[in-house]
Amino acid sequence: DTEVTQTPKHLVMGMTNKKSLKCEQHMGHRAMYWYKQKAKKPPELMFVYSYEKLSINESVPSRFSPECPNSSLLNLHLHALQPEDSALYLCASSQVEGAGYGYTFGSGTRLTVV
Amino acid sequence: AQTVTQSQPEMSVQEAETVTLSCTYDTSESDYYLFWYKQPPSRQMILVIRQEAYKQQNATENRFSVNFQKAAKSFSLKISDSQLGDAAMYFCAYWAFEITSGTYKYIFGTGTRLKVLA
Repeated sequence: DTEVTQTPKHLVMGMTNKKSLKCEQHMGHRAMYWYKQKAKKPPELMFVYSYEKLSINESVPSRFSPECPNSSLLNLHLHALQPEDSALYLCASSQVEGAGYGYTFGSGTRLTVV
Repeated sequence: AQTVTQSQPEMSVQEAETVTLSCTYDTSESDYYLFWYKQPPSRQMILVIRQEAYKQQNATENRFSVNFQKAAKSFSLKISDSQLGDAAMYFCAYWAFEITSGTYKYIFGTGTRLKVLA
């Protein structure tokens, strides 16, 4: 299995809702990442998990809460989002953090906050 | 600070022709990696090609090859025999471990949208 699988593919949520994005990989990668991508822009790093521990938090607002239950699974919990949080959320993984191997990305979740 | 610049927001190429996408970067590191990623309308970022800075030889993956000019800090992507499926946004990316700070940097350029004309 050489894929990163993200669910759901599309999500529409109200500003008072709580929802979660899910990311899964079975390549044995020990680093997993959340990126946010606005239209026609490059992806922006949000969080990095290395060996199931939070390694990097790029000053992301607390309404985004990451979780890494095990080495294959990465969640992003969403609560009280704003319309400007509407974006494509990409998950990625790599063999380890901090190595120049390149990342394997998922197809993303298109999030719309209404 | 490291930067990655893609000066061509959009490029077009006729099917079966060759196109070159440009990327320049700025760094004070001597050891780093450079990447080209492809993002088609399906949204998934796909690693196209990877170049290690200490390797003189330009990386090649089938129809994709790079022209890596370390002194000029240039890393262009050449796509030969362009196909309709090559139409996508292409991002150049830079990765390096900074010994002074003990951290790494992974920086994406702003992207070039490639259109392939039938």
